[in-house]
Amino acid sequence: DSGVTQTPKHLITATGQRVTLRCSPRSGDLSVYWYQQSLDQGLQFLIHYYNGEERAKGNILERFSAQQFPDLHSELNLSSLELGDSALYFCASSTPGLTEAFFGQGTRLTVV
Amino acid sequence: AQSVAQPEDQVNVAEGNPLTVKCTYSVSGNPYLFWYVQYPNRGLQFLLKYITGDNLVKGSYGFEAEFNKSQTSFHLKKPSALVSDSALYFCAVRVTGGGNKLTFGTGTQLKVEL
Repeated sequence: DSGVTQTPKHLITATGQRVTLRCSPRSGDLSVYWYQQSLDQGLQFLIHYYNGEERAKGNILERFSAQQFPDLHSELNLSSLELGDSALYFCASSTPGLTEAFFGQGTRLTVV
Repeated sequence: AQSVAQPEDQVNVAEGNPLTVKCTYSVSGNPYLFWYVQYPNRGLQFLLKYITGDNLVKGSYGFEAEFNKSQTSFHLKKPSALVSDSALYFCAVRVTGGGNKLTFGTGTQLKVEL
């Protein structure tokens, strides 16, 4: 168990809908990262937050947004969902001074 | 831009034999290199990392990796494979001073057979 908690584990929704994925980082970790894993794109970095502030953006669509709250948990919001958004979404966290990130078990999103 | 290549989609090895999973990288700057493993329906588990120092780094579950700067490689190795090592392995790179973004390879499926 990495200590990173993601909810829900599975999500099935229809095209055009909006969903929110939640991540609780390891205790003491200030950084939260979101990644998308799909068969055609592999593991892609989406966005990084550090202590509530956005630090870096990757291949994140405009329909997607994220935030990190004062208690350091983070949410990834996906809107106007398309079939191609079906993927495994991972959250990871890291602590200052440590270079590696620890991943949650992911949320599997299926858009039908 | 940074990139990672894992040239083999799948590696098959017999239990008890040594295994190698290959990884090469391309960065402008000093790399931080990582190996992660993913079991079915699970998240990525951190195995080991190279930051600086000894080119041979040891990690979890008996795995080790060798950093080779001239060949820009970071191959994952284990002297004696177990069936339970069968999983998807990812190599990743982060550039010092380039933020904390990890760039992953496409993954290598390791299959260890009896």
